[in-house]
Amino acid sequence: DQQVKQNSPSLSVQEGRISILNCDYTNSMFDYFLWYKKYPAEGPTFLISISSIKDKNEDGRFTVFLNKSAKHLSLHIVPSQPGDSAVYFCAAFRGTSGTYKYIFGTGTRLKVLA
Amino acid sequence: DADVTQTPRNRITKTGKRIMLECSQTKGHDRMYWYRQDPGLGLQLIYYSFDVKDINKGEISDGYSVSRQAQAKFSLSLESAIPNQTALYFCATSDPSTRSDEQFFGPGTRLTVL
Repeated sequence: DQQVKQNSPSLSVQEGRISILNCDYTNSMFDYFLWYKKYPAEGPTFLISISSIKDKNEDGRFTVFLNKSAKHLSLHIVPSQPGDSAVYFCAAFRGTSGTYKYIFGTGTRLKVLA
Repeated sequence: DADVTQTPRNRITKTGKRIMLECSQTKGHDRMYWYRQDPGLGLQLIYYSFDVKDINKGEISDGYSVSRQAQAKFSLSLESAIPNQTALYFCATSDPSTRSDEQFFGPGTRLTVL
């Protein structure tokens, strides 16, 4: 049962435009949602997170939106830069009530074209 | 110097062999994790440790064991490797005071079981 889904395996965007990466989850038990970026031959690096009680979190060029009714979150990158080309993973975390879960999506490969 | 290091970076072995993957961290974090990533899939949690005396199974612990030798060291063992354990393995750490449990990853170990 895939609890966290990224349905778009790849995305291409022109430099300077907005990149929107999407992620869906299947239940409401998670406390936080996170986005990680991964370059080839490196481990994932944390990008931004959002609490399950929030709708939006912004950090520089990166904004994450959470739609709890739709069980959907998205990462917006504005403006996109060639250095943003990487694989992006969303993750869902639950660490309360004695149950620890950390579930990753399958990733979306973003290519920013110069 | 890297905060989370993994050795070896690449390993090719044969079915039935015992393999140990090692992870060291200089971040001073209590929490450590082992994940595997298969092509086209997200990261899956194998084992996690919240301190030296605390070891917990993740989603896919069958066929694996771990040892937390010190706060800074967490090793993953495959007692009798099989071909479907061919994957990319990541070690990670986190600081429990961080509410979102953002994790810091090592560069990964690519394991091939023939």
